Amino acid sequence: SAVISQKPSRDICQRGTSLTIQCQVDSQVTMMFWYRQQPGQSLTLIATANQGSEATYESGFVIDKFPISRPNLTFSTLTVSNMSPEDSSIYLCSVRLLFRDTQYFGPGTRLTVL
Amino acid sequence: TQLLEQSPQFLSIQEGENLTVYCNSSSVFSSLQWYRQEPGEGPVLLVTVVTGGEVKKLKRLTFQFGDARKDSSLHITAAQTGDTGLYLCADAGSSNTGKLIFGQGTTLQVKP
Repeated sequence: SAVISQKPSRDICQRGTSLTIQCQVDSQVTMMFWYRQQPGQSLTLIATANQGSEATYESGFVIDKFPISRPNLTFSTLTVSNMSPEDSSIYLCSVRLLFRDTQYFGPGTRLTVL
Repeated sequence: TQLLEQSPQFLSIQEGENLTVYCNSSSVFSSLQWYRQEPGEGPVLLVTVVTGGEVKKLKRLTFQFGDARKDSSLHITAAQTGDTGLYLCADAGSSNTGKLIFGQGTTLQVKP
């Protein structure tokens, strides 16, 4: 299994500001992903974080709004830029371990934008 | 675009009752996974089913995968308060991409 930590666990931010969320994994992983879960909703994939190169974004998500870094195998950041109240959500990172098909999720970062 | 529909969206039952939740896809699943998510936590994988008609059991939970691989059910026997949470089905898709497509979830509340 994998232990995934996210920082911060929650934050309340003002409209127009940006927040960077960190994801750290204690195991070697092959893939890292960022998901968004809006209040009372399911999870939607934002992007795949690629080590050493630009992330691969899903339809409806763009790099200018959600820049992602992954400098090494076990760490990634997601920035939510120029925030609006519509960005209020839980943001979760998930990982797939080397030689395993199972995905593990972090505890999430609960973001409220005022 | 594949759409996953779960029903019911919300279920509130008494401890000891049985329940079934359903997941239907607009297209054939590559492989289907069921997750449970508790408040303040990320989803946790319960099971993966791949073969049409497959049945898997995990203690009081029974998972069935339809013969046509377009639907699945999760049955819980003698529900306990610890079963409370959000149950999500997901298509695990191609093993190369690792992407998950989730249904909208079933919120289960088990009352003592």
